Amino acid sequence: NAGVTQTPKFRILKIGQSMTLQCTQDMNHNYMYWYRQDPGMGLKLIYYSVGAGITDKGEVPNGYNVSRSTTEDFPLRLELAAPSQTSVYFCASSDVGAYGYTFGSGTRLTVV
Amino acid sequence: AQSVAQPEDQVNVAEGNPLTVKCTYSVSGNPYLFWYVQYPNRGLQFLLKYITGDNLVKGSYGFEAEFNKSQTSFHLKKPSALVSDSALYFCAVRDADSSYKLIFGSGTRLLVRP
Repeated sequence: NAGVTQTPKFRILKIGQSMTLQCTQDMNHNYMYWYRQDPGMGLKLIYYSVGAGITDKGEVPNGYNVSRSTTEDFPLRLELAAPSQTSVYFCASSDVGAYGYTFGSGTRLTVV
Repeated sequence: AQSVAQPEDQVNVAEGNPLTVKCTYSVSGNPYLFWYVQYPNRGLQFLLKYITGDNLVKGSYGFEAEFNKSQTSFHLKKPSALVSDSALYFCAVRDADSSYKLIFGSGTRLLVRP
């Protein structure tokens, strides 16, 4: 049982480049989330999805986009990367009721 | 608005001593509370949750948490700390406006010295 799988684990981007962070879960969870973790700042919600075809903005959506074409996949797209997007990104999923999240292992992104 | 506060950036404790990591919350309605742990270069792992019932909740790796409604607190505890408990700990509360979202605290780093 793989849980939540994120790729890549590490990436260095140049300012203005774009990339997609991949997230896949095999638990048939309806809810999926993208967070960013900055030192001393905890976790900030970027986007979330309550099911295939439905996405919504979290606290810090600017500069990002998401899609949810299947239950399993929830990719996060960065357009025109900026140094402020240097962070660790976590994908998570949960079943109905948010009784607990399952997190991926994270993607460490550096924008230079 | 719902919120979670972890007042200590870091907690230091000697191995074998009891540990407490503090968390206070502000939420409308009944709180659903969680603790997660993050080891270096890893994702967050679920430790325990309080939904209803007994105020003392037991979780993974010998951790427990005490729910105190009057003090709006949910402190994480362990009777005897291990060096391997050293990690980053997050408290979280379910968003009362969106039951599928969690609001996380800023995290507390626990250092257990040998």
